[in-house]
Amino acid sequence: EPEVTQTPSHQVTQMGQEVILRCVPISNHLYFYWYRQILGQKVEFLVSFYNNEISEKSEIFDDQFSVERPDGSNFTLKIRSTKLEDSAMYFCASTNRQGGSYGYTFGSGTRLTVV
Amino acid sequence: AQTVTQSQPEMSVQEAETVTLSCTYDTSENNYYLFWYKQPPSRQMILVIRQEAYKQQNATENRFSVNFQKAAKSFSLKISDSQLGDTAMYFCAFMKHTATGDMRFGAGTRLTVKP
Repeated sequence: EPEVTQTPSHQVTQMGQEVILRCVPISNHLYFYWYRQILGQKVEFLVSFYNNEISEKSEIFDDQFSVERPDGSNFTLKIRSTKLEDSAMYFCASTNRQGGSYGYTFGSGTRLTVV
Repeated sequence: AQTVTQSQPEMSVQEAETVTLSCTYDTSENNYYLFWYKQPPSRQMILVIRQEAYKQQNATENRFSVNFQKAAKSFSLKISDSQLGDTAMYFCAFMKHTATGDMRFGAGTRLTVKP
């Protein structure tokens, strides 16, 4: 069964550093998403991406964050100048259905730890 | 803004018994989708079941079924013949019928199936 692949599975970074979280969505999917889950809390929407541009973003997704689909297969989330409170599980998801009405396929997540 | 409420932080059930997880949501939309996702200790988010708001018939997937009450804005998940592998966090999620399809999650219910 096709999978959404996320790398790395765990990343530790120093506060103030930049990190790039990588995702390879399912190949025929067209809609891509990033979510985060702070430990013990709910899963929160960050951003949706379609046709090489951001479709929608939440209030969490400020200028510190950016997304890119650099080569037609990878989908990346960049976090600049990381803060302690950025420590969380980051999930990538994709779907081939407009509006995700059949639900997403999620990746296994990247655990980001900012120290 | 849409909100999703799961009022049961933790639940437990004996193996082979039936358990119902509650979810309510708040929206002014008429057309939307509802989902239950399972998050086992591996942290992967796995789609369990989905419901389209314009369909009155409750969705079922093998041992999993929902009780969708649109007027009451309630979407509960029933797990029949509970198995040890059902032990996980369960998240209820709401999605408007839009092109971008960002999903809003509840806080989750931790379900433990006891042998």
